[in-house]
Amino acid sequence: AQSVSQHNHHVILSEAASLELGCNYSYGGTVNLFWYVQYPGQHLQLLLKYFSGDPLVKGIKGFEAEFIKSKFSFNLRKPSVQWSDTAEYFCAVNGDQTGANNLFFGTGTRLTVIP
Amino acid sequence: KAGVTQTPRYLIKTRGQQVTLSCSPISGHRSVSWYQQTPGQGLQFLFEYFSETQRNKGNFPGRFSGRQFSNSRSEMNVSTLELGDSALYLCASSLVEGSPNVLTFGAGSRLTVL
Repeated sequence: AQSVSQHNHHVILSEAASLELGCNYSYGGTVNLFWYVQYPGQHLQLLLKYFSGDPLVKGIKGFEAEFIKSKFSFNLRKPSVQWSDTAEYFCAVNGDQTGANNLFFGTGTRLTVIP
Repeated sequence: KAGVTQTPRYLIKTRGQQVTLSCSPISGHRSVSWYQQTPGQGLQFLFEYFSETQRNKGNFPGRFSGRQFSNSRSEMNVSTLELGDSALYLCASSLVEGSPNVLTFGAGSRLTVL
């Protein structure tokens, strides 16, 4: 069965600090990988995705993520966070043997950025 | 372009009752999926509909059901409500059915069961 682990439950950073949120998944086949963000009071929004090709993908608002197949990881990074990045971040995976809309989500990482 | 619209946004029910939630996908999107979000279990896949047919189902009891209409709008129903059904129910739409795919989520319907 597929599963996703986000080891950081709550991260607190000061503005301008660098961010790295961990995401590991368990699935042996081909995967599609996603990061979604949920800002306070708002709905889930796609931050970035990896389907194939360059393992370093860039998303909105300066975020990027790197797919490392050998480590089953898809960590999210941002060089300099802003107060407006305060939100909950979800990593999700979809394997090639499951329905395309059946995403397995991690439990989320709450990011608090202090001005 | 309007996003995914879910109604109602908030509702309160008592144990044993049933509830129906509605989802209107983005115009042109033909696939609708439903997810349950709770603090304890996180986001879990309920089911997916495409062309009025259930294509995929998560690991939920039969009390959870859904359907899709010819205009791609979808409803989900939960019968004999239990306290543990209190959750945010999210609908997501996508353009097509196949993989890879990108889901666009609605704001959700927050159900409280007393």
